[in-house]
Amino acid sequence: LAKTTQPISMDSYEGQEVNITCSHNNIATNDYITWYQQFPSQGPRFIIQGYKTKVTNEVASLFIPADRKSSTLSLPRVSLSDTAVYYCLVGDVSNFNKFYFGSGTKLNVKP
Amino acid sequence: ETGVTQTPRHLVMGMTNKKSLKCEQHLGHNAMYWYKQSAKKPLELMFVYSLEERVENNSVPSRFSPECPNSSHLFLHLHTLQPEDSALYLCASSQDAGTITYNEQFFGPGTRLTVL
Repeated sequence: LAKTTQPISMDSYEGQEVNITCSHNNIATNDYITWYQQFPSQGPRFIIQGYKTKVTNEVASLFIPADRKSSTLSLPRVSLSDTAVYYCLVGDVSNFNKFYFGSGTKLNVKP
Repeated sequence: ETGVTQTPRHLVMGMTNKKSLKCEQHLGHNAMYWYKQSAKKPLELMFVYSLEERVENNSVPSRFSPECPNSSHLFLHLHTLQPEDSALYLCASSQDAGTITYNEQFFGPGTRLTVL
């Protein structure tokens, strides 16, 4: 199982772009990289997933270098409502969805 | 109701009580999950059900007993719990479990459990 390492917390200001990096040195060939967002007293919510290079959706972008040993979640122009915990998960999509959540990164957006 | 619902939202129980947590998904999914989230600890996957069959049990103590009577409902039966079992219990569902493509998990709001 690929272990992930993320910063415990990050601070940002409204309107800034935020980049959260996740390290996963032991990522396997079949593993995908997935990010979830969790607000207090709520369940996590899927943000984005990728395998390599760059993926973009209406919420975020995910950058994955060629060696896939790390990934960066990019949140453009954050607002106060983006204050949450962000989890990076790595796992094999065919293995009964055994995606294990790490400790996550607590993003604090200030006005 | 839409999405994944969980009841009750809050539960306080003594160590000798028996209670059950309920999860219902209205998404037509075939896989359901129980997670435990303790303070300052990562989410822990407890059980996975695929088409009402348990396919994963991550060494969870027997005082936690899951039940999946159909693909829309998932229960977690609790008995003789310990104070360290106090946590947020999250239910999730996904279209399938164990396919060649990723299935996004949809989470419920959770049940905040306190064991006295």
